[in-house]
Amino acid sequence: AQSVTQPDIHITVSEGASLELRCNYSYGATPYLFWYVQSPGQGLQLLLKYFSGDTLVQGIKGFEAEFKRSQSSFNLRKPSVHWSDAAEYFCAVGATTSYDKVIFGPGTSLSVIP
Amino acid sequence: DTEVTQTPKHLVMGMTNKKSLKCEQHMGHRAMYWYKQKAKKPPELMFVYSYEKLSINESVPSRFSPECPNSSLLNLHLHALQPEDSALYLCASSQVGANHQPQHFGDGTRLSIL
Repeated sequence: AQSVTQPDIHITVSEGASLELRCNYSYGATPYLFWYVQSPGQGLQLLLKYFSGDTLVQGIKGFEAEFKRSQSSFNLRKPSVHWSDAAEYFCAVGATTSYDKVIFGPGTSLSVIP
Repeated sequence: DTEVTQTPKHLVMGMTNKKSLKCEQHMGHRAMYWYKQKAKKPPELMFVYSYEKLSINESVPSRFSPECPNSSLLNLHLHALQPEDSALYLCASSQVGANHQPQHFGDGTRLSIL
């Protein structure tokens, strides 16, 4: 079965600073990988996804993520954070054999200070 | 704006009440999902419907009863709930098939059990 960890429970960055959120997964083959964002009181919005191909994936809102098979990682990055990026970020992994059973990581809460 | 619509947005009910949560999507997706999300936690999968048939039940108590009357609608019938069932209930939809992820989420129904 697949699993995913997000080592950072909470991160605080200054507005305009760069951001990297870490995600590590466990799965025997190449998984499907996702990053979602959840603002308070709302549902989850997909930022980006990796299925195969180019390991650097571009998403919405200026986010990108890089799949590194050797490190079992799928870290999310943004070069310049905006105050509106403050939210909960979830990394998720899906298995190629049970695509409909996506497992979410515990989440990283991002705070942005002016 | 979310393409998955959930009603009501908030629901308060007593432990002896019967109520239903509703979810609707018009994206032509044939897989629909119910998740439960407690505060500061990731979503937990409850049920999956594929082509209007229940395909996954994650050992959810029988006081939760899902229903998929057609390809656009998903209901969750609630009866005799417990205080620990208070949570955000999220609906999601997707295409069926490994190459047709990811899931699109609604904004959820916040349920409080008195």
